Amino acid sequence: GDSVTQMEGPVTLSEEAFLTINCTYTATGYPSLFWYVQYPGEGLQLLLKATKADDKGSNKGFEATYRKETTSFHLEKGSVQVSDSAVYFCALSGSSNTGKLIFGQGTTLQVKP
Amino acid sequence: GAVVSQHPSWVICKSGTSVKIECRSLDFQATTMFWYRQFPKQSLMLMATSNEGSKATYEQGVEKDKFLINHASLTLSTLTVTSAHPEDSSFYICSASKGGVNNEQFFGPGTRLTVL
Repeated sequence: GDSVTQMEGPVTLSEEAFLTINCTYTATGYPSLFWYVQYPGEGLQLLLKATKADDKGSNKGFEATYRKETTSFHLEKGSVQVSDSAVYFCALSGSSNTGKLIFGQGTTLQVKP
Repeated sequence: GAVVSQHPSWVICKSGTSVKIECRSLDFQATTMFWYRQFPKQSLMLMATSNEGSKATYEQGVEKDKFLINHASLTLSTLTVTSAHPEDSSFYICSASKGGVNNEQFFGPGTRLTVL
């Protein structure tokens, strides 16, 4: 079945460092790919998404490119801030269009001043 | 817009009792609601999908008689954990979708259930 694999955390960075969180997926057909962020004490929020190969999703300085050839959707940010500290989830929605999301295990990011 | 609330935010109950968790879409009509369970430092696992006015569709391995889901209106879904046991202790999260082509899910803040 469909699955998502994320790099294990926690990831600890200094402010203004470059961030990469790896995400790879296994799916049949052409899934949509998502990154969600969960700040402490809050619900998951959609950070960005891409619906087809080579699409780049971007929001709040974060980017991720849908790479079908490597089945990847790595999250990047050029300069992280303390306020970016959160748990990040990669997810996919299969091509069956049921709306179901399959999540990776989440990666905790800690940014230190 | 697109705010989803859950009540309660946390609950502690005795083994053998039942607990009801509410999920509400506050400013939109949700044609579909999803219930997830999240274990510490682990991913969200989809438990069931519910559409307003119809029976929920449960994922494989989820006991429908233990986790009762009711989607009575376009703004409210409830999850009842019946005869709770300590192994049911977890973080339960709901999400709601407006449906249509976009199909984006909006998540509630979660409910922490602890069964003693």
